[in-house]
Amino acid sequence: KAGVTQTPRYLIKTRGQQVTLSCSPISGHRSVSWYQQTPGQGLQFLFEYFSETQRNKGNFPGRFSGRQFSNSRSEMNVSTLELGDSALYLCASSFQFLSQADTQYFGPGTRLTVL
Amino acid sequence: GDSVTQMEGPVTLSEEAFLTINCTYTATGYPSLFWYVQYPGEGLQLLLKATKADDKGSNKGFEATYRKETTSFHLEKGSVQVSDSAVYFCALSKGANNLFFGTGTRLTVIP
Repeated sequence: KAGVTQTPRYLIKTRGQQVTLSCSPISGHRSVSWYQQTPGQGLQFLFEYFSETQRNKGNFPGRFSGRQFSNSRSEMNVSTLELGDSALYLCASSFQFLSQADTQYFGPGTRLTVL
Repeated sequence: GDSVTQMEGPVTLSEEAFLTINCTYTATGYPSLFWYVQYPGEGLQLLLKATKADDKGSNKGFEATYRKETTSFHLEKGSVQVSDSAVYFCALSKGANNLFFGTGTRLTVIP
């Protein structure tokens, strides 16, 4: 079974631009979560989507948004990029929602650099 | 709020040494606990998990026991290898697929 895939793997943008990252979950998984990883803040939860609906959101500004399609693929968008948005963005998928015992499977991440 | 406190790194060990990485948590209720590992340039991989008190998770020679009385989930391995060099993250979940991560501990194993 193929793992979680994320595209692109690397991205360079300039301040003020916007960016869209894509995530394809493991086949059969319906929940997709996004995390931001930075050296200073570590791993922080952005949001989770299940059945095309955002079910849970972390403490990030409204510039960060996402969506999920009917095939469970997800995209996240960051508008008006700031230097501090430079990070590794990780996508994780799991079979179901609201199960604390369920394992999340992570993709390799998209490395975003904002200049 | 819910949080995870992890042993500060980096940790450097010789091959075949014993490894312990401490992890304690703060949470109401009964969270599930996880250890994830991140190899250079890669995403996170689940190493092991435990879903209730006194459960022991194990994988690839690594073990951790869910201790509710001490709110701990320490990671141990009896004999580390060079290939174990990575960053290790302790995490907890209370559902809604929202993981709270520790800051990570970088392990370097030297031959």
